[in-house]
Amino acid sequence: EAGVAQSPRYKIIEKRQSVAFWCNPISGHATLYWYQQILGQGPKLLIQFQNNGVVDDSQLPKDRFSAERLKGVDSTLKIQPAKLEDSAVYLCASSLGTGTPSFGGELFFGEGSRLTVL
Amino acid sequence: GESVGLHLPTLSVQEGDNSIINCAYSNSASDYFIWYKQESGKGPQFIIDIRSNMDKRQGQRVTVLLNKTVKHLSLQIAATQPGDSAVYFCAENLENYGQNFVFGPGTRLSVLP
Repeated sequence: EAGVAQSPRYKIIEKRQSVAFWCNPISGHATLYWYQQILGQGPKLLIQFQNNGVVDDSQLPKDRFSAERLKGVDSTLKIQPAKLEDSAVYLCASSLGTGTPSFGGELFFGEGSRLTVL
Repeated sequence: GESVGLHLPTLSVQEGDNSIINCAYSNSASDYFIWYKQESGKGPQFIIDIRSNMDKRQGQRVTVLLNKTVKHLSLQIAATQPGDSAVYFCAENLENYGQNFVFGPGTRLSVLP
């Protein structure tokens, strides 16, 4: 089974520029997540989709971050304009289900996209 | 022993010894918990999970213990191997909130030869 695919793996930009990350979840997974992981910290949820609808975007800085999941499959996360503090790894994850998780309800993560803002 | 590093708590153990990694979770309403392992340059990888109606669950070489009274999780790794060196995160899921996981700050495990 193919895992969660993300691209690009690395991106270096200057502040105020824009960047976009792409994620293709595991086939059949209804739920897709974008997490931001700053060096030395745990992942922090930015946005959660269920199919192509947003479940939770309460921690997404909407003045500069946007995300979409058209057709309920792959997703893009965009940052415009980027700030120095956006330097982080952006992790995409997917999971099978909806509702209350049971055993095996874990998230499957991609390798991440490392962003450096200069 | 454990020490607080610049960013992450670090646990150093001798190869072959048992490791215990601790996690304090934040919400008493959380009903499902997962331990993840993250190696350098990779995404987090599932290790083991447990529901709030259990105190203990065992996997291959790993055991998770849950103490709801003090909101504490621990991950025990038996016969720690060099390949176990990584950062370990606990993640909690809030009851009746779908699959919305909140991650802890992580602990770095270093296995000494």
